[in-house]
Amino acid sequence: EVQLVQSGPEVKKPGESLKISCQGSGYSFSSYWVAWVRQMPGKGLEWMGIIYPGDSDTRYSPSFQGQVTISADKSSRTAYLQWSSLKTSDTAIYYCATTTMTRFFFESWGQGTLVTVSS
Amino acid sequence: DIQMTQSPSSVSASVGDRVTITCRASQAINNWLAWYQQKPGRAPRLLIYAASDLQSGVPSRFSGSGSGTEFTLTITSLQPEDFATYYCQQASSLFLLTFGGGTKVEMK
Repeated sequence: EVQLVQSGPEVKKPGESLKISCQGSGYSFSSYWVAWVRQMPGKGLEWMGIIYPGDSDTRYSPSFQGQVTISADKSSRTAYLQWSSLKTSDTAIYYCATTTMTRFFFESWGQGTLVTVSS
Repeated sequence: DIQMTQSPSSVSASVGDRVTITCRASQAINNWLAWYQQKPGRAPRLLIYAASDLQSGVPSRFSGSGSGTEFTLTITSLQPEDFATYYCQQASSLFLLTFGGGTKVEMK
């Protein structure tokens, strides 16, 4: 069974850095793309970017390019999403998701990580 | 970017009702469309992919149709567990994925 387990909730101050994680199990982690999706409070889903853990090929939504960094460590089967300087507007739930399909229809999702940024 | 527009943004319905949600793409996306269900505090769940293929384990009362720019998700005989928010997502632009704004199915 494919499982994605994300790191726990975070409370940070503006300007602080943060790295959240998403560990995959039950499938060949290196062989399938892992996406990150943002959901701001009471709002819809926004695709942020995607990484292929096998070679770390990473693509970003133009809306998030330069705002976050996506990375992966295939040895630990973990994908990461990081910020160098958080803003209050980064407060959201962040989901990782993956698919074994040839198109990006995401059949497996992490449980979400709530990031709260407040002074 | 391909924009995805869902309508309505919310719908009030009763158990047993037939519910139809529409998703329109700003340009043709072939059949590269998925539908997700999301309940409060939960991750999205894939219901339909490639516009009309039912994901494993999803009840057959859910169905999808459409191609090109207009797509529909239909729930025949709405069940209590179907009250949720539904999103469409295009996968035509391989690395420029976009979601619709969501449709909340509420109890009448």
